[in-house]
Amino acid sequence: DAGVIQSPRHEVTEMGQEVTLRCKLISGHNSLFWYRQTMMRGLELLIYFNNNVPIDDSGMPEDRFSAKMPNASFSTLKIQPSEPRDSAVYFCASSSDRNAKNIQYFGAGTRLSVL
Amino acid sequence: SQKIEQNSEALNIQEGKTATLTCNYTNYSPAYLQWYRQDPGRGPVFLLLIRENEKEKRKERLKVTFDTTLKQSLFHITASQPADSATYLCALDEDSNYQLIWGAGTKLIIKP
Repeated sequence: DAGVIQSPRHEVTEMGQEVTLRCKLISGHNSLFWYRQTMMRGLELLIYFNNNVPIDDSGMPEDRFSAKMPNASFSTLKIQPSEPRDSAVYFCASSSDRNAKNIQYFGAGTRLSVL
Repeated sequence: SQKIEQNSEALNIQEGKTATLTCNYTNYSPAYLQWYRQDPGRGPVFLLLIRENEKEKRKERLKVTFDTTLKQSLFHITASQPADSATYLCALDEDSNYQLIWGAGTKLIIKP
């Protein structure tokens, strides 16, 4: 299995630009998590999907952030407009309901720098 | 308030010794506790899971203990090697079906 695949690995953009991060889940997994990681705040859950439905988006910082799952294997996280304080590493992770222990499998992350 | 704490300072251990990392929590009632390893530039990778009714779990050179009275988990790496150098994160699962509560991680450095 290829694991969770994220793209791009690095993104450098200017303040005010739109940023789209992409994630492909592990085949057969039905839960998808978007996290943000910074030195100051560690891993923060942004949003959780189950069976393509957003279940909990309470971690999304503000309306500038949006996430979608157009199909069972793919998700996007969009930031529009981006701000310097959005600079962080963004991870997606997937898991399966059949895995009752909620073990999560992470992608390699997207390092976002907003100038 | 709810807290999960790991040693914020890096842990330096001589190769061959046992490394012990601590995860303490307050005001949670986890059904499971998980340990992950994170290397620079990569996402966390699952290592071990222990249930609330288990005292100890082993996998090769790794051992995890879980004391629900002390509200603490210890993560041990025996016969440590430089390749074990990484950041180790603990995560609590209150059996909420999805959300893991993450510690900030402890950076482990194994010196040759």
